[in-house]
Amino acid sequence: GAGVSQSPRYKVTKRGQDVALRCDPISGHVSLYWYRQALGQGPEFLTYFNYEAQQDKSGLPNDRFSAERPEGSISTLTIQRTEQRDSAMYRCASSLPRLAGVYNEQFFGPGTRLTVL
Amino acid sequence: SQQGEEDPQALSIQEGENATMNCSYKTSINNLQWYRQNSGRGLVHLILIRSNEREKHSGRLRVTLDTSKKSSSLLITASRAADTASYFCATNIQGAQKLVFGQGTRLTINP
Repeated sequence: GAGVSQSPRYKVTKRGQDVALRCDPISGHVSLYWYRQALGQGPEFLTYFNYEAQQDKSGLPNDRFSAERPEGSISTLTIQRTEQRDSAMYRCASSLPRLAGVYNEQFFGPGTRLTVL
Repeated sequence: SQQGEEDPQALSIQEGENATMNCSYKTSINNLQWYRQNSGRGLVHLILIRSNEREKHSGRLRVTLDTSKKSSSLLITASRAADTASYFCATNIQGAQKLVFGQGTRLTINP
């Protein structure tokens, strides 16, 4: 079946503009995660959802970052008033839900490469 | 903050040799997952090992987990040029659904 998809794949924007990054998870995956990856580093957690509920947003760096998943499927990560330091690869992942304390594999999308000029 | 640390940071071997990468972590985990990232491509899930498992195999991959030492290793046998990539370990720490990644090991397979 289809994997996690993200759009756009590349986004170049000017400092101060708002951007919206989209993630479409694997069908049937109720958990959706956002990570950010700097060049040469491992991904860092931003936030995640179970269904439409945002469960943990402790990784969002500041209040310019927000995420939503209104219908429990597609999610949007929005960055307002972008700054050059926001430039990175933004990755989305999805998984089956945690059951009886058992966590499952997270499958990642191709990412959106954001460049803020 | 990163929980995991991979060792070595970079590894270069000849095709056909075995490659071993290590990962250490700090807190109790539910599971540990290994991912591969080719240059310019996405993160591919390789294998998941749960905290009550000690060893797991998948094709040419062998993963071990030692929870007493808070460490894991990934062994790739009979390496191929296509195995050239960065390899990351990621932990599901207990009580948290998020993954915490290490810095990765850059593996180069020389023909």
